[in-house]
Amino acid sequence: QKEVEQNSGPLSVPEGAIASLNCTYSDRVSQSFFWYRQYSGKSPELIMSIYSNGDKEDGRFTAQLNKASQYVSLLIRDSQPSDSATYLCAVNIVINNAGNMLTFGGGTRLMVKP
Amino acid sequence: AAGVIQSPRHLIKEKRETATLKCYPIPRHDTVYWYQQGPGQDPQFLISFYEKMQSDKGSIPDRFSAQQFSDYHSELNMSSLELGDSALYFCASNRQETYEQYFGPGTRLTVT
Repeated sequence: QKEVEQNSGPLSVPEGAIASLNCTYSDRVSQSFFWYRQYSGKSPELIMSIYSNGDKEDGRFTAQLNKASQYVSLLIRDSQPSDSATYLCAVNIVINNAGNMLTFGGGTRLMVKP
Repeated sequence: AAGVIQSPRHLIKEKRETATLKCYPIPRHDTVYWYQQGPGQDPQFLISFYEKMQSDKGSIPDRFSAQQFSDYHSELNMSSLELGDSALYFCASNRQETYEQYFGPGTRLTVT
C-alpha cells in the first residue's frame, strides 16, 4: 500500500462546475499537506498548502484536511479548461523524527470540458 | 519573482556515460531537494541538502551522488547511466523553517 494515494482519474467535469479531488495518506506523523498542479511535461506548481484540520480557501481553490480520517481534498470552483492538468497530492511524512521530503500520490488527471 | 533554475533543460547521453545536472535555488533558500519523475509516474524523492550538508536520502541509486556548494547551488552527478535513468529530474528549494517546496523547470534526461 502506498503511503499517499489518489484516484488516477481522469476526472471529467464541465466548465463552471466544481471539481473535487481526494487524497488519503497512511498513519505516520504527517504534518504538512500540499496540492501541486502539473501540466504535461512541466514541473509541479504549488497551488495550496494546509497544515491544520479544516478548510483553507485561496481564490477558486479550497483545501480540506481531516487528520483523524487521514484525508486531504482539493475543491476547484468554477472550473476552467485551463485547469485541466494532473493534480498531485504531496505529504511531508516524518519518518524517525527526521525528514522534510515530500511523498506524492499518483496524481489525479482532471479534464475540464468546455 | 525569481524561481529555481535548472540546467541543462535537456540532455541526451548514451549508456554508461556520466551526466551532471545543476540547480540554482530561489535566492535566500537554503535547502535543495532532488526528485526523479519517470514517464507516467509521480516525482520520487532522491536526496536533499541543507546548508551544504546532506539532510535526507531517498531512493537514490549508488551510481548517483550530489552536493550543495557554498552559494547554495547543487549538482546531481550520475554515472554509469542506464536506459532506466531516462526521466525528468526536478530540483526544488525552500528555507529550512518552511515546508513549501518550489520546483524548478526540470532537466529531461534521455539515455540511449
